[in-house]
Formats: sequence, structure tokens, C-alpha cells
Amino acid sequence: QLQLQESGPGLVKPSETLSLTCTVSGGSISSSNYYWGWIRQPPGKGLEWIGSIYYTGSTYYNPSLKSRLTTSVDTSKNQFSLKLTSVTAADTAVFYCARHTVVTPLYFDYWGQGTLVTVSS
Amino acid sequence: QSVLTQPPSVSGAPGQRVTISCTGSTSNIGAGYDVHWYQQLPGTAPKVLIYGNINRPSGVPDRFSGSKSGTSASLAITGLQAEDEADYYCQSYDNSLNGWVFGGGTKLTVL
Repeated sequence: QLQLQESGPGLVKPSETLSLTCTVSGGSISSSNYYWGWIRQPPGKGLEWIGSIYYTGSTYYNPSLKSRLTTSVDTSKNQFSLKLTSVTAADTAVFYCARHTVVTPLYFDYWGQGTLVTVSS
Repeated sequence: QSVLTQPPSVSGAPGQRVTISCTGSTSNIGAGYDVHWYQQLPGTAPKVLIYGNINRPSGVPDRFSGSKSGTSASLAITGLQAEDEADYYCQSYDNSLNGWVFGGGTKLTVL
């Protein structure tokens, strides 16, 4: 059974960089059939797709976050990561990593449990 | 402001049928991209309920069904149960944003 697990600091100061890693177990991140994505959910609000990465390093980013976002993949560790720079309180959210298909239907079939990141001084 | 529009809340009594709408545009649902539905129970990660407009993953009861027409889609839940009380999100792909988009979510209350 595929499992995804987010990890990273739960508290980040304003203007600093938020860094998270997702570790994939029970399957290979190098599968040609899937992208690996990040989704966030501010407290009490809805879901927002952040970006996705393929095992080759190819990326798709949400245009609203693109200027602050970098994602990477480490196939040797079966992990992918996210870095969001210049964070503000508006970036406080539960961050989920998830897997989605490369071809239609383009949906997220496996999700991590999520990790809350609070931006505060 | 979400790209896909859902009603903020719906409610129904146990045993009743409810529907949740998801309205998009010609760059997402209307462009032919599939709609998917997720259920999020309190304090948990979203779980896919319907994928490819009408398909249920194994383990999802047939009380849940999806449909799509034009620039909109709907999730129907029949025989409402207390355990169905959750937030529901629709999701599709948008070719003007070149990315995945979600609805704002609908809170289902079982009266």
C-alpha cells in the first residue's frame, strides 16, 4: 500500500523559507505514470494546488506561487521536496503531499496525512 | 476565489438524497477535463470519492455518484448517513492556468 509522509518545521518566521519533504513508501517515486504534488489548506478554508513534479524533475507550478516556489525530487531517497520563500501569515496552512496521474483522469489518488505549518514570529 | 464554484453548505436528513454542484468554465470542466470529488472528514486528509466524473474507487459505497454536463458537475449522495457529514471538494484541470484546480468546498450537515 502506497504511503506518503510529510515532514518539516511546524513553525516558520515571516520572510523566511518554508521547506517540506514528502517521503514515499510502498511504491517507487520513479514511476512513469505519476506526478507528485503539493496541496495546501489554510485553517478553515479550502484546498489549493501548489505544484507538481515528475521523477525526471519536470514541474508544474500554480501561477500565483510560481515566483516563490521551488520543488525537487530525490529518487535515491524516494522523496520530493518543496521550498516556498518569503512567507507571510497568509501561507499558514496544512500542507499535503499527494500522487496524481500523468494522463487522464488527472486526479490525486494517494495523500499524505498533512502537516501544519504556521508562519509567525 | 476558487476557480470551481461549489455551494458553501448543504444539509439533509438521514435517508434523504442531496446533491452538490460544481460549476467551472470553458478552460476546465467545459474543455472536457474530468471532474473528481473528494471527501474530507474532520481532521483528516481528503480521500477520493469519485474520479473521472462517474467512477468510484473500490470501497466507496454506491450511495455516492457523480455526473458531468457542459461546464458543471454534480455529486449525489443517497440514503444519507451520519457518517457522511464532511467537507466535499470537486477538482479538475484548467488549461489556462496549466494546473489542477479545486472547488471551494461544501460542508454537508446531516440533520
